[in-house]
Amino acid sequence: AQSVTQLDSHVSVSEGTPVLLRCNYSSSYSPSLFWYVQHPNKGLQLLLKYTSAATLVKGINGFEAEFKKSETSFHLTKPSAHMSDAAEYFCVVSEGYSSASKIIFGSGTRLSIRP
Amino acid sequence: ETGVTQSPTHLIKTRGQQVTLRCSSQSGHNTVSWYQQALGQGPQFIFQYYREEENGRGNFPPRFSGLQFPNYSSELNVNALELDDSALYLCASSLSYEQYFGPGTRLTVT
Repeated sequence: AQSVTQLDSHVSVSEGTPVLLRCNYSSSYSPSLFWYVQHPNKGLQLLLKYTSAATLVKGINGFEAEFKKSETSFHLTKPSAHMSDAAEYFCVVSEGYSSASKIIFGSGTRLSIRP
Repeated sequence: ETGVTQSPTHLIKTRGQQVTLRCSSQSGHNTVSWYQQALGQGPQFIFQYYREEENGRGNFPPRFSGLQFPNYSSELNVNALELDDSALYLCASSLSYEQYFGPGTRLTVT
């Protein structure tokens, strides 16, 4: 069975400082992993994805994540936070690579940016 | 913009009523998935349709049902609405493992 745990429900950082959003996963297979962002009253937008290629994945808006199999982690980072990064972030795990693969969302991390 | 649209944007229903939510997939995507996102939580998988057939279901009762049409648009039907059904309902279309989400329909049950 697969599962995903986002270790922080809320993270607050100052503008210009690094961002770290933590995610641990559990999967019986080689998983695909994703990070999505959800701004208020907006749909979910894909930030980045890992699908068994390079373990360091670069996404949009300066975000990146590193797949660490030994730690079963897929933490999301950004070197310098911007006010527009304030949103809800979801870590997602999928077993398989087809459209029928079941995906599981984490409970989300709300990122707040202090001026 | 993902090219996935949902209607209506907002909806208010009374307990016991029935509701139909609609989703128009991104062009060429043959798979659609529906999710329920309660306030403050992550989306929960309801079910998935592939080429008009149900292709997987989450832990939701049978009063949640769906349809996928030949043009790959989709409906989510919920019968006998309960207060706990109040949530944001998201659909996502896909051709491979990457899902493209619509903006959602916010359902309020009173």
